[in-house]
Amino acid sequence: GAVVSQHPSRVICKSGTSVKIECRSLDFQATTMFWYRQFPKQSLMLMATSNEGSKATYEQGVEKDKFLINHASLTLSTLTVTSAHPEDSSFYICSARETSGNSYEQYFGPGTRLTVT
Amino acid sequence: AQKITQTQPGMFVQEKEAVTLDCTYDTSDPSYGLFWYKQPSSGEMIFLIYQGSYDQQNATEGRYSLNFQKARKSANLVISASQLGDSAMYFCAMRGGSYIPTFGRGTSLIVHP
Repeated sequence: GAVVSQHPSRVICKSGTSVKIECRSLDFQATTMFWYRQFPKQSLMLMATSNEGSKATYEQGVEKDKFLINHASLTLSTLTVTSAHPEDSSFYICSARETSGNSYEQYFGPGTRLTVT
Repeated sequence: AQKITQTQPGMFVQEKEAVTLDCTYDTSDPSYGLFWYKQPSSGEMIFLIYQGSYDQQNATEGRYSLNFQKARKSANLVISASQLGDSAMYFCAMRGGSYIPTFGRGTSLIVHP
């Protein structure tokens, strides 16, 4: 099956700094990528939908100036958490939908655990 | 709007027994897809099974089967012959015409030896 990678898998940063998380589709092209946030023992919350070459669509309540998303190519989307605070500590997961093939296939990355101290 | 409901926060099952995880949904889209994912403690989301709204047969994938009852708007996951490695969080999800998926709150499954 198709593979989606995320980097880094874990990151610890100090409050006030910015962190960039990369999501890559390794063996397929992804027109659309999704960014989720998951708190412990809770469901995945969709943050934004990222479309290659255009601005991301953010879900209600998600600050687009704080969570910057860039989808510059068909295989890479990045999420930058700007001026991170302890409440931004969470598990961030990306997923990618293949441009061709079965339209229902959505592949998830392994996730990035962010801890802000 | 789409909504997924998983009413079982936690389930316990004996090894080698079968277990059913409940999922009900609501949508106004005439065409939609239903998914089940497994999330072990490592955090990765593992795709298990898919059911399309127009599929006549219930989906099966190895030990996983989806009991799809369209009129009741339910899409329960059945795991046969449970194994210790099946212990994980299980999420039901659906996707409608917008292709944006919605996830349920999840069910924690613990398999006892």
